[in-house]
Amino acid sequence: QVQLVESGGGVVQPGGSLRLSCAASGFTFTSYAMHWVRQAPGKGLEWVAFVRYDSTSKYYAESLKGRFTISRDNSKRTVYLQLNSLRAEDTAVYYCARDGAGGRRIFDFWGQGTLVTVSS
Amino acid sequence: EIVMTQSPVTLSVSPGERATLSCRTSQSVDSNLAWYQQKPGQAPRLLVYGASIRATGVPARFSGSGSGTEFTLTIGSLQSEDYALYYCQQYENWPLTFGGGTKVEIK
Repeated sequence: QVQLVESGGGVVQPGGSLRLSCAASGFTFTSYAMHWVRQAPGKGLEWVAFVRYDSTSKYYAESLKGRFTISRDNSKRTVYLQLNSLRAEDTAVYYCARDGAGGRRIFDFWGQGTLVTVSS
Repeated sequence: EIVMTQSPVTLSVSPGERATLSCRTSQSVDSNLAWYQQKPGQAPRLLVYGASIRATGVPARFSGSGSGTEFTLTIGSLQSEDYALYYCQQYENWPLTFGGGTKVEIK
């Protein structure tokens, strides 16, 4: 069955950096694009970033561009999110999600999420 | 950016009754709209995509409709496990955007 397991969250000071990982299993990883979606405490969902199956296309939420970088290593079946220049408002649960088949930019499977807390 | 507006924010429904959730987009998204369910402490779950196509394993009491800028998610007869938060999401344009959510609570 499809499994997505995020890791790398934690407490970081404002201005700090963190790298999140998402290990995928149970499907042909090289055939699927992947996303990161975040959810601040008590708030709604916010799409963060997208990477195509072959890394040839990447998209970001406009407000995050320049600070966050998505990447993937198909040999390790893992997608990453590098978070730089972190701010208090980046505090959230970060979910890794698989892109829908057929080019539909939907999130058909989700990980359990990893919590990032930005605080001094 | 396409702005998504969900209504109502909270919907109080008795078990066995029908629930109707609305999602409006600031510009046409054709049928490129999905619905998700989220329960406390859990990741969201895909319910509907293509405005009206149920995802694998989703019960038939969930149905989506609409196109363009007006969409509806109907839960035919509420079960205890359906009390949750529901989000719509458009995938017509980048950036992908979500509505603010509708909480379905027990009346």
